[in-house]
Amino acid sequence: RKEVEQDPGPFNVPEGATVAFNCTYSNSASQSFFWYRQDCRKEPKLLMSVYSSGNEDGRFTAQLNRASQYISLLIRDSKLSDSATYLCVVTGWGKLIFGQGTELSVKP
Amino acid sequence: NAGVTQTPKFQVLKTGQSMTLQCAQDMNHEYMSWYRQDPGMGLRLIHYSVGAGITDQGEVPNGYNVSRSTTEDFPLRLLSAAPSQTSVYFCASSETVNTEAFFGQGTRLTVV
Repeated sequence: RKEVEQDPGPFNVPEGATVAFNCTYSNSASQSFFWYRQDCRKEPKLLMSVYSSGNEDGRFTAQLNRASQYISLLIRDSKLSDSATYLCVVTGWGKLIFGQGTELSVKP
Repeated sequence: NAGVTQTPKFQVLKTGQSMTLQCAQDMNHEYMSWYRQDPGMGLRLIHYSVGAGITDQGEVPNGYNVSRSTTEDFPLRLLSAAPSQTSVYFCASSETVNTEAFFGQGTRLTVV
């Protein structure tokens, strides 16, 4: 079993749609959780950290369920510029571990 | 605002050749790491370092060596390149493993 697993993609949605990504992790001792965004052939960049109480940044909402070892990212009112690959990232045993990523394509 | 600098951006190697991918950061970060990214595989951890003089293996360390003689630099050495090492390589740094990681622009390596 992979340490971090994400929904397979790609997700193809129209502008204005709401889309949700899910992620599960295997290490119950994991301390920190993140969503990164990666544009085609470029380096990943931090989208947002994920906190136990849940957190929101504009159109983006992240949730963490430690009991189920589950992380989610909700994007509301999708924009064309949201098209990218979204990477779920978890720390464990001193390492930063990435999921395989979920590709999002927002169409006009 | 240099951040994390990786060189080279592109490289073609012949099977059996060796080379070093350079990574330098100017943010005084303790934690540095190397990843490779292959289609459909996400980023896989090769080696990481929690500070100068300390390195450890990640998920896919075979065929690669690292050293960390200074806080700023974390080079990745390919000992004898193989076609299976064709990939995009990213270096990252952060204050600790639990804080935001900053990535270099990547090195696109082809082994023929």
